[in-house]
Amino acid sequence: QVQLQESGPGLVQPSETLSLTCTVSGGSISGSYWTWIRRPPEKGLEWIGYIFFNGSTHYDPSLESRVTMSVDTSKNQFSLRLSSVTAADTAVYYCARDDRTTDAFDIWGQGTMVTVSS
Amino acid sequence: SYDLTQPPSVSVSPGQTARITCSGDALPKQYAYWYQLKPGQAPVLVIYKDSEKSSGIPERFSGSSSGTTVTLTISGVQTEDEADYFCQSVDSSSTYVLFGGGTKLTVL
Repeated sequence: QVQLQESGPGLVQPSETLSLTCTVSGGSISGSYWTWIRRPPEKGLEWIGYIFFNGSTHYDPSLESRVTMSVDTSKNQFSLRLSSVTAADTAVYYCARDDRTTDAFDIWGQGTMVTVSS
Repeated sequence: SYDLTQPPSVSVSPGQTARITCSGDALPKQYAYWYQLKPGQAPVLVIYKDSEKSSGIPERFSGSSSGTTVTLTISGVQTEDEADYFCQSVDSSSTYVLFGGGTKLTVL
């Protein structure tokens, strides 16, 4: 049973870089697409982008200039970096598997709250 | 604003039928997906490709599609179904992921 767990700082200073890692357990990161999604307080879900296990990426155009995703197959982890953060980046950040057989986000982590504040 | 439009809230009594709609111009050409979000829990895929039920999802959940609108139906709603529900699709060129604004289902 594949499980995902997000980790990273819960508080980030404005203008700094948000960094999160998602650890995949119970299965291999290889062969799959992996995505990041966030939910700002009192708002809906926002897709950030995905990374394939080989490192190829695709980001939402509204965040593309600030987002970098990477993958470490040796650790079964993938990561998100979001630069120049503002209060608008405060959100619960989720990692999820992008299952290309169903084209759905079929497995999610529990999410981690990141607050941007000084 | 969102490219997929959902009602902000739906309220039903236990045992009744809840219908949550999601409208968008891309929906006649693209599949829709439904996710259930409860506080402190990992989101759950409920429906994929408009009407296919995800593994482990109770029979009372179903999905349908008609034109620019897709609908998540919960027949015989139970108190544990109280959650936020989000529809998801992709844009007409299959390039970017779209989410609806979410619907809070309240079971009175």
